[in-house]
Amino acid sequence: DAGVIQSPRHEVTEMGQEVTLRCKPISGHDYLFWYRQTMMRGLELLIYFNNNVPIDDSGMPEDRFSAKMPNASFSTLKIQPSEPRDSAVYFCASSPITSRNEQFFGPGTRLTVL
Amino acid sequence: AQSVSQHNHHVILSEAASLELGCNYSYGGTVNLFWYVQYPGQHLQLLLKYFSGDPLVKGIKGFEAEFIKSKFSFNLRKPSVQWSDTAEYFCAVNARQTGANNLFFGTGTRLTVIP
Repeated sequence: DAGVIQSPRHEVTEMGQEVTLRCKPISGHDYLFWYRQTMMRGLELLIYFNNNVPIDDSGMPEDRFSAKMPNASFSTLKIQPSEPRDSAVYFCASSPITSRNEQFFGPGTRLTVL
Repeated sequence: AQSVSQHNHHVILSEAASLELGCNYSYGGTVNLFWYVQYPGQHLQLLLKYFSGDPLVKGIKGFEAEFIKSKFSFNLRKPSVQWSDTAEYFCAVNARQTGANNLFFGTGTRLTVIP
């Protein structure tokens, strides 16, 4: 099992540019989560999906952020336009329905917005 | 609303010292509890978990945690730390009755072990 796969691992962009982060969950997992980690705020849940349907997006900071899950094996988190305060590590995690909420994390994408 | 408190932000220990990291949560119902570890530059990995049964749970690498319901606590312990335990440790909780599958994480405790 390859685990949760995220791409890119590092992204450096300029303010105002569109950024797209990608995630491939573990095959067979029903839940997918997007988190943001910063020194100031720690680990924050942005949004999560169940069977490709967004369940709770209350953590999405503002309209510049959007997430999609077009199928069970792929999700994107998009920031448009990006701002320097969006600089963080973004983690994707997935979870099977039988796991009692144990989540398996990807390696993260380190985003730097200049 | 659920929340998790980790009061120790940074702990520095010498090798072979004993470790205890505090974790308290706020939720009156039944919970699932987790400790995750994040080694420098890596992603979060599960260290141990509690769902039910014996409140003393053992995880990988000699770690254990004790669930004390009356204190809403789930402290992490290790009798003798090693330099390789240097990492950030996150406590997380899920409230079963809510039906939600998201975890609430604490702000993390950074552990530095000095050789």
